[in-house]
Amino acid sequence: GALVYQYPRRTICKSGTSMRMECQAVGFQATSVAWYRQSPQKTFELIALSTVNSAIKYEQNFTQEKFPISHPNLSFSSMTVLNAYLEDRGLYLCGARPGQGGDTQYFGPGTRLLVL
Amino acid sequence: GDSVTQTEGLVTLTEGLPVMLNCTYQTIYSNPFLFWYVQHLNESPRLLLKSFTDNKRTEHQGFHATLHKSSSSFHLQKSSAQLSDSALYYCALSPDTNAYKVIFGKGTHLHVLP
Repeated sequence: GALVYQYPRRTICKSGTSMRMECQAVGFQATSVAWYRQSPQKTFELIALSTVNSAIKYEQNFTQEKFPISHPNLSFSSMTVLNAYLEDRGLYLCGARPGQGGDTQYFGPGTRLLVL
Repeated sequence: GDSVTQTEGLVTLTEGLPVMLNCTYQTIYSNPFLFWYVQHLNESPRLLLKSFTDNKRTEHQGFHATLHKSSSSFHLQKSSAQLSDSALYYCALSPDTNAYKVIFGKGTHLHVLP
């Protein structure tokens, strides 16, 4: 079946430092990978969408300078939170889809980021 | 822009009663996909239902929803709530068949009491 792994599952970093998180799709080819942040008591905010053969598109309030993303192949993506501060804490979800609209987006278990 | 509205933040009801969670959406596209995801505590969201076809009921695990394009709605229903249904439910939209983007509503916390 289709699975998405994320690593690490939980991490703590000091304010002002950076944290890299990884997303691995297994059992299907991740044509698109979306990164979301679920801040405490909030819904999923789309950070950026990475689609094969297209540039990575960042949503308003999120920038490549703050959340650089790499999507080197159809099974792997990584995102770094640069200069993390308190407002960056939350659950970072990777959602991978094998195709276009209507295809199920498979979510990983998330990377929970705590910033001290 | 594209958006999803879930009017209830919290729904509390007694086991055995019917469930209805509201979801409406806005999009300029005429063929959106609508989804319901369920998230249990400390877990990632899991797909519960999805639909593309207007006025067609879709069912899974006792839950059902019908996409009504005329009213831009995709309400989630279940005839009889179970304790294990307690979770966060997110309605989500993929605006177009060529869209990779998924937009989530704010979520509804369903709390089922014994």
